[in-house]
Amino acid sequence: KAGVTQTPRYLIKTRGQQVTLSCSPISGHRSVSWYQQTPGQGLQFLFEYFSETQRNKGNFPGRFSGRQFSNSRSEMNVSTLELGDSALYLCASRYRAGTGELFFGEGSRLTVL
Amino acid sequence: GNSVTQMEGPVTLSEEAFLTINCTYTATGYPSLFWYVQYPGEGLQLLLKATKADDKGSNKGFEATYRKETTSFHLEKGSVQVSDSAVYFCALEADTGANSKLTFGKGITLSVRP
Repeated sequence: KAGVTQTPRYLIKTRGQQVTLSCSPISGHRSVSWYQQTPGQGLQFLFEYFSETQRNKGNFPGRFSGRQFSNSRSEMNVSTLELGDSALYLCASRYRAGTGELFFGEGSRLTVL
Repeated sequence: GNSVTQMEGPVTLSEEAFLTINCTYTATGYPSLFWYVQYPGEGLQLLLKATKADDKGSNKGFEATYRKETTSFHLEKGSVQVSDSAVYFCALEADTGANSKLTFGKGITLSVRP
């Protein structure tokens, strides 16, 4: 069974630009969560989607947004990038929201210059 | 709110040494507790979990016991290997239902010398 797939794996952007990251969950998983990982703050929850609806949201500014498609694939978008947005963005999937083991992808490493 | 506190790192051990990584938590209700591991260049993998007080999670020689009285979930392994070198995260999931989310500790890097 294929794991969680994130694209792109690495990307470099400049301040003020926007970025879109993609996540394909494990087949059959309908919940997708996003986390930001930085050396200073560790792993912080961004949001979780289930059946195309955002079910939970962390404490991030409105520049961070996401969506989920009918095939459970998810995208997250960060607009007006800041230097502090440089991080590893991890996607995780599970069968449904709120329960069950989370399976993580390898992440998308974003560098903002 | 919910929080997880892990001991400061990094930790460097020799092969076959005993490992303890401390983890304490603050949460309302009865959270589920987890240890995740992140090998270099990879995403996180669930190492073990415990869902109620006094439960012991175990996997790959690692163990952790859910201690409600001390709000702790310390990770132990009797004899570490070089292949155990990774970052270890303690996490909790409080609340059931659709609003549930994982809260992670900051992680600790373990390096094992041959």
